Amino acid sequence: NAGVTQTPKFRVLKTGQSMTLLCAQDMNHEYMYWYRQDPGMGLRLIHYSVGEGTTAKGEVPDGYNVSRLKKQNFLLGLESAAPSQTSVYFCASRGSGEDTQYFGPGTRLTVL
Amino acid sequence: GNSVTQMEGPVTLSEEAFLTINCTYTATGYPSLFWYVQYPGEGLQLLLKATKADDKGSNKGFEATYRKETTSFHLEKGSVQVSDSAVYFCALTLNTGFQKLVFGTGTRLLVSP
Repeated sequence: NAGVTQTPKFRVLKTGQSMTLLCAQDMNHEYMYWYRQDPGMGLRLIHYSVGEGTTAKGEVPDGYNVSRLKKQNFLLGLESAAPSQTSVYFCASRGSGEDTQYFGPGTRLTVL
Repeated sequence: GNSVTQMEGPVTLSEEAFLTINCTYTATGYPSLFWYVQYPGEGLQLLLKATKADDKGSNKGFEATYRKETTSFHLEKGSVQVSDSAVYFCALTLNTGFQKLVFGTGTRLLVSP
């Protein structure tokens, strides 16, 4: 089992560019989450999904969109990147009936 | 609302010293409590958890006890090693709905030889 994987690991964008971050899990988990990590703020929930074809907003959803077309994948999109979106992005997944979330290794995004 | 407060770091210790990282929480309902660890350049890993009052979570020599009366979940280790240097996050989740994790801001631990 690879667990939770994220691609890419690093990315540099210019303001206004778009990109998609991919999260994949091979644990057949129902729930998937996208967080961002900023210094001194812990992790904050961007969007989440409770199953294939469903998504919902978290604490800080503005400027991001997500899709869950397949159960194992959860995509995070930035349509028009802004410097405020410079952060480390973590994906996590959780099985139904479990209380533990499993995290990917993160994507470090810099927006110039 | 639900929140987690951790002591600010960095915490700097010598090898074999005793470690305590304080964590208190505010929650509506009955949360599960977690400690996650983030080693340099890596994602978060679950270190230990406790799901009800008076439960003790333990792993790799670390322990934390769920104290409902003081709304605390302090992390302790009797003898730290250099390899324990990392950022430690306290978190809670309410066992309803989609179970969002609420994180503290993290505490960096630096252990010197």
